[in-house]
Amino acid sequence: DAEITQSPRHKITETGRQVTLACHQTWNHNNMFWYRQDLGHGLRLIHYSYGVQDTNKGEVSDGYSVSRSNTEDLPLTLESAASSQTSVYFCASSEGTALPYEQYFGPGTRLTVT
Amino acid sequence: GQQVMQIPQYQHVQEGEDFTTYCNSSTTLSNIQWYKQRPGGHPVFLIQLVKSGEVKKQKRLTFQFGEAKKNSSLHITATQTTDVGTYFCALQGAGGTSYGKLTFGQGTILTVHP
Repeated sequence: DAEITQSPRHKITETGRQVTLACHQTWNHNNMFWYRQDLGHGLRLIHYSYGVQDTNKGEVSDGYSVSRSNTEDLPLTLESAASSQTSVYFCASSEGTALPYEQYFGPGTRLTVT
Repeated sequence: GQQVMQIPQYQHVQEGEDFTTYCNSSTTLSNIQWYKQRPGGHPVFLIQLVKSGEVKKQKRLTFQFGEAKKNSSLHITATQTTDVGTYFCALQGAGGTSYGKLTFGQGTILTVHP
């Protein structure tokens, strides 16, 4: 069955380190998204991509970057981890043919920056 | 960008009681989606509403889209412990730089006491 996976599921890192969170989907979806979820803020969009070589900034993109070299993967990189980036990160994907379309979420990565 | 206010933030009910969460926007929406997130889980798509005044039902869940397409509600009849979780509405951008992106409400956390 098609799915969307994230790795690692849990990560503890130190302030200042570079961290990459992986997201892989097997639906062949064009659209992929990264969100962070913090108590009281719901889900906030970090970056998104509408296809290979396409990346766009979301509402909370500072300190994060993504790259899209193939359809299946959209890794999220924290350039220099900060304690404010402690959060739960969700990757999602969706088809891109015509609105409206639902998003499928991965299981999430819980990141702690110490 | 588009914003949505979701209320209440928390709702505690006794099993068997009804539950309603509301989403309100200051702008006309092209469509609205609803997601459920179980504790420790990831958001899962429930439904999408597109037409003015639309009402959709899924067993004990009733979803409504306002006549002016500026508000929506999710009503659960006779809650069960399996209904526990956070319910999010999400607006989907229909054009320009917001095309395809979801903007999530803050969510309503539902707890059900047996």
